[in-house]
Amino acid sequence: DADVTQTPRNRITKTGKRIMLECSQTKGHDRMYWYRQDPGLGLRLIYYSFDVKDINKGEISDGYSVSRQAQAKFSLSLESAIPNQTALYFCATSDPRTGAREKLFFGSGTQLSVL
Amino acid sequence: SQQGEEDPQALSIQEGENATMNCSYKTSINNLQWYRQNSGRGLVHLILIRSNEREKHSGRLRVTLDTSKKSSSLLITASRAADTASYFCATRDNQGGKLIFGQGTELSVKP
Repeated sequence: DADVTQTPRNRITKTGKRIMLECSQTKGHDRMYWYRQDPGLGLRLIYYSFDVKDINKGEISDGYSVSRQAQAKFSLSLESAIPNQTALYFCATSDPRTGAREKLFFGSGTQLSVL
Repeated sequence: SQQGEEDPQALSIQEGENATMNCSYKTSINNLQWYRQNSGRGLVHLILIRSNEREKHSGRLRVTLDTSKKSSSLLITASRAADTASYFCATRDNQGGKLIFGQGTELSVKP
């Protein structure tokens, strides 16, 4: 089945470390997104990319960077991790060809803990 | 800031009862979507309603949209223990493409 895969599933790191979260998809979707989820705050958009050459900041991009290496791959980096970046991170994709019915398909998430 | 505000934040009901969750938003939208999340897992799309629609049904789900009040509701009828999850509304604006999510309603259905 076409899927959205995030690696790693869990990661514990220390303050100041650089870390990369990876996302790959076999859905053939052009659009990819990174969200973070914190208890009581729902999902907040970090970055999104509508095609390989397009990168856009979301609501909370400070402290993060992204790379869209190919249509199928979108990675999120924390250059110098800090404890308040501890959260559950989700990658998602969508297909603009569905027009008004465009919806998101989510990966299983990466639980990141910054000590 | 969040586009969607959901109400209630948590809801606990008995199996067989109906569950109603509400979502309010701030700006003009192209469509509004509802997603479900089982504990700690990825979100799954449930239903989408466009700005020119007032009501949609899908199985036991019923969604309404009132653009004049900038609000939507999700009704789950005859709830089951397996409906226990968090439910999120998300809006897509007219400029957009990106979806902005609400804070979610945590539903607990007791057998």
